[in-house]
Amino acid sequence: KQEVTQIPAALSVPEGENLVLNCSFTDSAIYNLQWFRQDPGKGLTSLLLIQSSQREQTSGRLNASLDKSSGRSTLYIAASQPGDSATYLCAVLFGANSKLTFGKGITLSVRP
Amino acid sequence: DAGVIQSPRHEVTEMGQEVTLRCKPISGHDYLFWYRQTMMRGLELLIYFNNNVPIDDSGMPEDRFSAKMPNASFSTLKIQPSEPRDSAVYFCASSFGQYTYEQYFGPGTRLTVT
Repeated sequence: KQEVTQIPAALSVPEGENLVLNCSFTDSAIYNLQWFRQDPGKGLTSLLLIQSSQREQTSGRLNASLDKSSGRSTLYIAASQPGDSATYLCAVLFGANSKLTFGKGITLSVRP
Repeated sequence: DAGVIQSPRHEVTEMGQEVTLRCKPISGHDYLFWYRQTMMRGLELLIYFNNNVPIDDSGMPEDRFSAKMPNASFSTLKIQPSEPRDSAVYFCASSFGQYTYEQYFGPGTRLTVT
């Protein structure tokens, strides 16, 4: 069964810290991987999309990496701010015609 | 563009009643997705459409669930009859292209069935 796992479920850090959120998946033959942000009571916002041929993507203070051979992706957040507090979800497309499989997310709290 | 629009934002209904959730995708997007989110199961894809045609409804949990897309700017998800276990947040998302491009999510409809 193709699964996406995000551990831990919650994380609390002080403002200014650089942090890494992890995502693991069961099948290395993926099509692409996306990181989403979800604020309480809101929908999901796409942060970064990494195609299977890519190793990383960057947007501002965010950097996402992809290692298909180990079945892992990481989302690096530099100089975290209280406004980064949200739930971050990883989603994997295991095949071009398959469905996005979501992890359950990591709820991040950045303390002022 | 106003983004993906969903209505209602909150719905409380009694078991056995019919519930209809509505979605207006972003203009120009040719794919529309319906998801359900619960604490236990996370985010699950229920069904998706391409150019108004249902492509994959294998995620629809039971025959009580049905979805339609009569035109490019409107879709509905109907539950009849509703049950307490249907309580969840239902999201609609749209994209240009199936998965090559980003999906844009609506704010969701929080459904409570008592």
